[in-house]
Formats: sequence, C-alpha cells, structure tokens
Amino acid sequence: SQTIHQWPATLVQPVGSPLSLECTVEGTSNPNLYWYRQAAGRGLQLLFYSVGIGQISSEVPQNLSASRPQDRQFILSSKKLLLSDSGFYLCAWSVGAGANVLTFGAGSRLTVL
Amino acid sequence: AQSVTQLDSHVSVSEGTPVLLRCNYSSSYSPSLFWYVQHPNKGLQLLLKYTSAATLVKGINGFEAEFKKSETSFHLTKPSAHMSDAAEYFCVVILYNTGNMLTFGGGTRLMVKP
Repeated sequence: SQTIHQWPATLVQPVGSPLSLECTVEGTSNPNLYWYRQAAGRGLQLLFYSVGIGQISSEVPQNLSASRPQDRQFILSSKKLLLSDSGFYLCAWSVGAGANVLTFGAGSRLTVL
Repeated sequence: AQSVTQLDSHVSVSEGTPVLLRCNYSSSYSPSLFWYVQHPNKGLQLLLKYTSAATLVKGINGFEAEFKKSETSFHLTKPSAHMSDAAEYFCVVILYNTGNMLTFGGGTRLMVKP
C-alpha cells in the first residue's frame, strides 16, 4: 500500500534561520509530488509541484525552494525564514498525467518567531 | 477570478441535524470536483469526487454531493451530523484549462453542537 511521510511534524524556528522539510512516498513509482501551505484562517496554497526527479515548478514566488533528489523524495527549503513563512505545510502525491486525486501527508506545522 | 467559492467560512449545526456545505465553481468546461476533509492538525482526506459520471456522488462517512451544472454547484450534504464530523471541509476543482491543477476553495469549518 502507498504511504506518505512528512517530518518534522512540528518546528519552531527563529527569523533568518534555514528550513528543511522532508517528504517521502512509499509504494508507488513516478508520483507527482506537491507542497502546499495552509496559513491560519486560509485555504491551501500550492507552492511547488514536481512531475519527476529534478523537475520543479513554482507556483508562487517567495523565499522558499523545493528539490526532488530522488523519485519519491520531495524537500522544501529556505535559506532565511520570514515571519510570514509560518503555517501548516502539506506534502501530497498523485499518479497519472492529470492532477487526479491527491493523497496528503499529515503535515508539518512551522512557527517562525 | 476565483474558480471555486465556498459560500460559508463557518457552519454550525446540532448533532443529529442535516449538514449543508455550499460550493460553487466557475468554468467553461466540465470540471472534476472533489470534497476533502481536514481534522485539526491533520492532513486532508478525500471524501468524494465527481468526474462526469453520476451527478449524485456518495462518499465516506455518510456524505454525498450533487453536481448541478445549471447552478455550477457541488454542495456537500449529510442527513445527520455526528460530533466526529467537526472539521474543515474543502471543495476542490480541476479546471482543464489550467493544466489539470487542483484549485482549492477557502474552506468551511463545520462545528457540531451536542
């Protein structure tokens, strides 16, 4: 069966510090991978998606970046966090040419102080 | 222009009474539509999906939604609310003129009173 893991689950970081959130998928090959952010009181905002190793599309310009070093690994990073980066970050995957049905990870809550 | 609109940011019902969460979309094409549920501090879980088959779609936990093209709506309903239904619900649309990307509504927080 397919599973998706995100870590860390909770993170508190000072402004200006780096960030690395990791997401891995098991039980499937060549998934489409996504990073979403959910800020307090808001819906989900698509940050990045990837259709293959090394292929990253950015939906919103910001100080975040994403990388896909392996087929089933998706990493969200920042060199210097801003207060506005606080939020709930969700990794998701789907299979097929279209966006299709997304399966979400449990999320990573980031608080920037 | 907003592609999917959830008309209520908060809905409060009593346990055992019907639930109605409203969703409207704007599209010139036939969309695919989904409802996801998110319990506090959790990821999102698919409730149901419409992909141009039957217009009345049944999902998990007793929820269902009806696609009404004439009204461009996809409202989520449940005959009798349970305390465990308290969560945030997202209406999601795939618009095929946007490269098959998902567009999320702003979410509706459902509160269930005992």
